[in-house]
Parts: sequence; structure tokens; C-alpha cells
Amino acid sequence: DVKVTQSSRYLVKRTGEKVFLECVQDMDHENMFWYRQDPGLGLRLIYFSYDVKMKEKGDIPEGYSVSREKKERFSLILESASTNQTSMYLCASSSSGGFGSFGSGTRLTVV
Amino acid sequence: GENVEQHPSTLSVQEGDSAVIKCTYSDSASNYFPWYKQELGKRPQLIIDIRSNVGEKKDQRIAVTLNKTAKHFSLHITETQPEDSAVYFCAASRGSGAGSYQLTFGKGTKLSVIP
Repeated sequence: DVKVTQSSRYLVKRTGEKVFLECVQDMDHENMFWYRQDPGLGLRLIYFSYDVKMKEKGDIPEGYSVSREKKERFSLILESASTNQTSMYLCASSSSGGFGSFGSGTRLTVV
Repeated sequence: GENVEQHPSTLSVQEGDSAVIKCTYSDSASNYFPWYKQELGKRPQLIIDIRSNVGEKKDQRIAVTLNKTAKHFSLHITETQPEDSAVYFCAASRGSGAGSYQLTFGKGTKLSVIP
């Protein structure tokens, strides 16, 4: 079973801080994704990566960047956190063989 | 890009009744359609999926149907139980190419099963 691990379950950050959300998968999957989940809006794709150092914008990339230096690790970066980025962030992975699974999520609060 | 619409947003049923949730998609190249169940405070969990070469798939009390021509797919839960209460999400994606299985989600359906 694919294991996707997100380093923090809860985070509280101040407005303007630089925030790093980390995700690691253990199944050698090529593709990794960052989603944001908000009530009534479902899960929306922020960024995805299909290979090391490769990234593509999703539906809502504004205010975010990503880094994938190693195949197993995909980081989401909030360059200058704002209150409207308070949300649940979910990481996921997939390969050509199928979708993997989601991480347990990071609930970020920006104050 | 892909767009997935999901209805209804909330659904209440009596225990033992059936529940049906419907989704439509826009990208005719999408060929993989999973359904996720998310309980409060937990990650979404895959409950059933269907690929475009199949019209229907069943797993015990859960079934999914797909109409490629109309670009819609549905989740059917029979003999509902209180533990079926959760938020359900449909999704669509392509199963090949860069970023394969990049899922586009519907906005979710909150299902409440009343004992």
C-alpha cells in the first residue's frame, strides 16, 4: 500500500511568513500532487510534478510554489502566507499504473 | 481543462434506503473515474473506481455506473447504514501521459443516513 506522509498535521503561521509543507511517498511514483480542500469547494489542484525538478501549475497556483529535488519528496511553499491560505492541504501521488493515495493532510492556519 | 460537476451537495436518507450521487465531466479524454469517501477529520479514501472501458462496477453495497456518451457517472449505495454518513467526492482524470491520474474533483456530497 502506498504511503504518503505529510510532515505536519497542524500548523499555525503568521501573515507574511514563508511556509514549507513537506510530503514524502514511498512507492517510487513519478507523479505527485498538492491539493487544497475547503468546505463547499472540494479539492482543488495547486501544483503537480511528473518528474524530479518538473512542475506544472494546477487550477489555483497563485501564491504558491513547489519544489521537487528528489523523486520521493514534494514540497509546497507559501512565499508570504496570507489569511486566505488558511486551509487543509493534501498531498497525493500516482504512477502510470494508477492513483496512489492521499497523505493525512496538513491543516494550516494563518493568523 | 477538465470540469467535474457533482449533485446533490447534501443528501439525507433513511437507514436502509438507497442513495445516488451523480457527476458529469467535460473532457472526453478522461478515462478514470474514482469515488472517495471522507469522514470527518480524515483523508479521502478510495471506495470504488471505474475505467472508461466498463459501464458498471459493483462492490457489495456500492456500485458505480458510467455513461461515456453523456459524460456522466453515478455512485449508488444500497441498504444504507449510519456508518455510510460522510462526504463523498467524485473525480475524473486521464490514465496516461505526464501527470497521469491527475484528478479533478467534484465539490462533494454530504450524505447523512438517519437511523
